[in-house]
Amino acid sequence: NAGVTQTPKFQVLKTGQSMTLQCAQDMNHEYMSWYRQDPGMGLRLIHYSVGAGITDQGEVPNGYNVSRSTTEDFPLRLLSAAPSQTSVYFCASRGEDLSYTQYFGPGTRLTVL
Amino acid sequence: SQELEQSPQSLIVQEGKNLTINCTSSKTLYGLYWYKQKYGEGLIFLMMLQKGGEEKSHEKITAKLDEKKQQSSLHITASQPSHAGIYLCGADPRNSGGSNYKLTFGKGTLLTVNP
Repeated sequence: NAGVTQTPKFQVLKTGQSMTLQCAQDMNHEYMSWYRQDPGMGLRLIHYSVGAGITDQGEVPNGYNVSRSTTEDFPLRLLSAAPSQTSVYFCASRGEDLSYTQYFGPGTRLTVL
Repeated sequence: SQELEQSPQSLIVQEGKNLTINCTSSKTLYGLYWYKQKYGEGLIFLMMLQKGGEEKSHEKITAKLDEKKQQSSLHITASQPSHAGIYLCGADPRNSGGSNYKLTFGKGTLLTVNP
């Protein structure tokens, strides 16, 4: 049981490049989400999904796309990277138990030059 | 929208000392999560508090929820270097009043434990 996994761990992009951050969970959780963590800003929700085929915007969705074709995977796409997207990205998932506890992946550290 | 304020922002203690981190909410707390993050790593779930007055402990870490004060505290007894890291509190998504999926986090408390 690997929990929540993310790839890559580190990535450097040039402005305007596109890329996909991968997230997978093996806990059969319906809910998955993406956060970004910036100094002084804390964790902010980008997008989330409540199940396969269903996604919605969080607090800071601009510049990011998501899709959820399977329960296990929830990739985050940067369409045209900007220096403002330099951040650490975390994926999380939670089950349907009443605690609503979210479990986080190890993160992807992204630098956009 | 709900905001969580953590205090202190950073803390340096000598190994063996006790310490407390606070998390204060701008709205009523229905539930509060505590996570720990080591530099360069993900968030590790510590514990969740759901009821006013609830207190939970895990090893040397104790968390309490005071609903009336809209506050939670995290207390570490006899701190060790392994306790070092960033501690984050997160508010139960049911606080958002709408979607129950938007977890709100405080900005974190950086704990350093000197041997």
